[in-house]
Amino acid sequence: DIQMTQSPSSLSASVGDRVTITCRASQGISTYLNWYQQKAGKAPKLLIYAVSSLESGVPSRFSGTGSGTDFSLTISSLQLEDFATYYCQQSYSMPRTFGQGTKLEI
Amino acid sequence: QVQLQESGPGLVKPSETLSLTCTVSVGSISDYYWSWIRQPPGKGLEWIACVYDNAITTYNPSLKSRVTISIDTSKNQFSLKLSSVTAADTALYYCARAAISGNRRDAFDIWGQGTMLSVSS
Repeated sequence: DIQMTQSPSSLSASVGDRVTITCRASQGISTYLNWYQQKAGKAPKLLIYAVSSLESGVPSRFSGTGSGTDFSLTISSLQLEDFATYYCQQSYSMPRTFGQGTKLEI
Repeated sequence: QVQLQESGPGLVKPSETLSLTCTVSVGSISDYYWSWIRQPPGKGLEWIACVYDNAITTYNPSLKSRVTISIDTSKNQFSLKLSSVTAADTALYYCARAAISGNRRDAFDIWGQGTMLSVSS
């Protein structure tokens, strides 16, 4: 199985901050990397697919980069509604695996 | 707009078999594969299994011996059975869709709201 490791596990930030979450795969996954946002009591929501493509309706302050084993999700200017938990997920091989999550807190 | 809705018993006893169903409303069940993903309370996401519209299945090796996933295209439903459950199987169970091809291939773009399953005697 491909292990996905996110850092940090939690992050305190303020409205307007620029934040970056990183995700490392235990082996190369090309560009088969997706990001999800999960708010308390809700299902995960697809934010970014294939490393850097924004899902429809996702604000442009979200962006993703990377390839191979190292990836990152950046929020350019945090808004109140962005405080949530973020997960990366590889779709390179089965079984699909997720990072452990990064909780973004005020 | 495509929606997924999970249904399940809510509570099962240890050693029993749990059965969950996901109903796909609106749209075709083809051109996608359909997964079950679970989340224990306060923890992260674990992919369990997926099924294609032609009934081909793939399982997470960590659960493979206890899991069966199936699809009923006539009802636009797919199902999960997990046998010999223990307290470690207590989780929120989600069903989710991923495209087989195209730009958004293999990303879980539609999720159900989740159904909580508790294992307790």
